[in-house]
Amino acid sequence: ELKVEQNPLFLSMQEGKNYTIYCNYSTTSDRLYWYRQDPGKSLESLFVLLSNGAVKQEGRLMASLDTKARLSTLHITAAVHDLSATYFCAVAGTYKYIFGTGTRLKVLA
Amino acid sequence: NAGVMQNPRHLVRRRGQEARLRCSPMKGHSHVYWYRQLPEEGLKFMVYLQKENIIDESGMPKERFSAEFPKEGPSILRIQQVVRGDSAAYFCASSPLLTETRGETQYFGPGTRLLVL
Repeated sequence: ELKVEQNPLFLSMQEGKNYTIYCNYSTTSDRLYWYRQDPGKSLESLFVLLSNGAVKQEGRLMASLDTKARLSTLHITAAVHDLSATYFCAVAGTYKYIFGTGTRLKVLA
Repeated sequence: NAGVMQNPRHLVRRRGQEARLRCSPMKGHSHVYWYRQLPEEGLKFMVYLQKENIIDESGMPKERFSAEFPKEGPSILRIQQVVRGDSAAYFCASSPLLTETRGETQYFGPGTRLLVL
């Protein structure tokens, strides 16, 4: 059974600092997704990672995928308050996505 | 091309009532997925449907929950005799018809937030 674990679950950081969110998954998958969710809102797609070694960047966020280690990271550079949200990774299983538990990020001014 | 549409966006029910959640997939999409998000948790898969067929319902509770995707009209997630524990956000996603079944890109709707009093 495919399982997805994220850590940390909660992250409070100062503006301007860097940090990394980790996403581990238990079995082979060929697609990994990162989403952002603001309170009471739907999921906003951030990145789709399709192959080993894939790296994608958008603004202050950069995602990478290591399929051999079954690990994806979401790196935050010079955090700003607007990045405060919950971030989910999701791995494509057969027919469905398996979501991580989410990382609730709070960026303090 | 409109995105995935869900209605209602918010639904309040009293214990014992029925809840009907609707999902219209993106144009050209014939695969529909339902997920549930309990407060402070991630999304959990419930059911995967194609037109007139349930393909995978491994995430559906055994009782009170049912889903359909008729030939015409939206997909419906139906919850009978709701209980407080059913309070959650229910998200629908859709994907286009593809020859492979693994790793299809899913597009999520805005969700229906169900509150059971």
